[in-house]
Amino acid sequence: DTAVSQTPKYLVTQMGNDKSIKCEQNLGHDTMYWYKQDSKKFLKIMFSYNNKELIINETVPNRFSPKSPDKAHLNLHINSLELGDSAVYFCASSQQGQNSPLHFGNGTRLTVT
Amino acid sequence: AQSVAQPEDQVNVAEGNPLTVKCTYSVSGNPYLFWYVQYPNRGLQFLLKYITGDNLVKGSYGFEAEFNKSQTSFHLKKPSALVSDSALYFCAVRDDAGNMLTFGGGTRLMVKP
Repeated sequence: DTAVSQTPKYLVTQMGNDKSIKCEQNLGHDTMYWYKQDSKKFLKIMFSYNNKELIINETVPNRFSPKSPDKAHLNLHINSLELGDSAVYFCASSQQGQNSPLHFGNGTRLTVT
Repeated sequence: AQSVAQPEDQVNVAEGNPLTVKCTYSVSGNPYLFWYVQYPNRGLQFLLKYITGDNLVKGSYGFEAEFNKSQTSFHLKKPSALVSDSALYFCAVRDDAGNMLTFGGGTRLMVKP
C-alpha cells in the first residue's frame, strides 16, 4: 500500500549516460513534484506538475526533463549525466491547495562516476 | 521570494528533556507552514502544519509547533524527547499564491539516553 513509490532506489552510472527515474502515487493527488537533495541535505524543488501540466520549473538544466503520462505518474529523465548530478532525488505528491502537505517517496540515490 | 531559516545545524537533547527546533520564515501574504522529519535513507514524513487559527499546532508523535507572527517563527517542540526522535527535521513554507514549498536547510536532532 505504498503511497509514493519511486524506482530505482539506487542508480550508479557513468558520466555522459542517460537515465530515468520513475515515480507513481496511489493517493489520487493532483500535483506531483521532483526535489533534489544534495550532500548537505539541502532540498531544492526541480519540477511540479498539476494534472499533467508543468507549473514550476526551477531553472534546472534542460538535460533534466520530467514526463507525466497521467496524473499518477511523474518520471524524470536525465540526459548526459554529470558528476554534479549526484544526489538523492525525491518524488512527492499533494492535493492542490496551499494547506496540503506533500507526501514523499523514499528517494533515488543517483551516483555519477 | 519566500525563504526559511533553521539557524541550528544540530540540536542535542537528553532523553526525557523538552526539545525545541527553531524555524523562521519570510513570505509575502499569509504563510502556510509545515514541519517534516527525515529518517536515514527515507523520504520526508509530514509532522504538522499551520494554516490559520490557534498558534499552537499539535502533530504526530507528540510534536507541536508554536506560530509567532510578530517574530515570523514556527518553532517545533516536544515536552519529552525520545531517543527514537533522533532524525533530520525540516521546516517549510508555502505562500498563498502558488504551489511552491520552500524548505529550510534542516536541523539534525540528537537525543541521547
